[in-house]
Amino acid sequence: SQQGEEDPQALSIQEGENATMNCSYKTSINNLQWYRQNSGRGLVHLILIRSNEREKHSGRLRVTLDTSKKSSSLLITASRAADTASYFCATDDRYSGGGADGLTFGKGTHLIIQP
Amino acid sequence: DAGVTQSPTHLIKTRGQQVTLRCSPKSGHDTVSWYQQALGQGPQFIFQYYEEEERQRGNFPDRFSGHQFPNYSSELNVNALLLGDSALYLCASTRARGSTEAFFGQGTRLTVV
Repeated sequence: SQQGEEDPQALSIQEGENATMNCSYKTSINNLQWYRQNSGRGLVHLILIRSNEREKHSGRLRVTLDTSKKSSSLLITASRAADTASYFCATDDRYSGGGADGLTFGKGTHLIIQP
Repeated sequence: DAGVTQSPTHLIKTRGQQVTLRCSPKSGHDTVSWYQQALGQGPQFIFQYYEEEERQRGNFPDRFSGHQFPNYSSELNVNALLLGDSALYLCASTRARGSTEAFFGQGTRLTVV
């Protein structure tokens, strides 16, 4: 079953604008991650935010986490045509002590950057 | 340093057949997870292998089975294929201890006809 739900399902903006995607989840988590997928290929890890963190930055990416609302947002600033992709949030909601368990993904946001 | 590699990249099989997909994890990683991604959906967790044993399993039938070898590579087997098994199958590797960041392969596109 899907835990995370991204919003919007699709987003089209002009190059140079900022893009914001949201993710909601249902259970308590250890961390939340964002991934990018180009044209149905493999997923690329973008950023991980732990449950005790509220905000994290990586280059043009800014992620926030609100555990009280069970939600996260991904902001891409100064978007580029190469940012066109699907973006997924994934939660790690079970930790068995030996390492990562399976991630639970949302359905993704399809982002289109128009030149 | 090679990342996660999967083979084959594309595969067409007939209903009722069996298929084996292969994955080599990133160097230094010993945990392999498999995911199924239907068109327009997010990846769904199938199972995870660590120390050659299935450690966790998602909501998939027994037709889906796997194996992990001493060199940490892994296979995903699907028996009695159904049309609904058509999907992109993704392999991800992680270090069992440390970061939970998963590195994904490019996937195997399976089409069942």
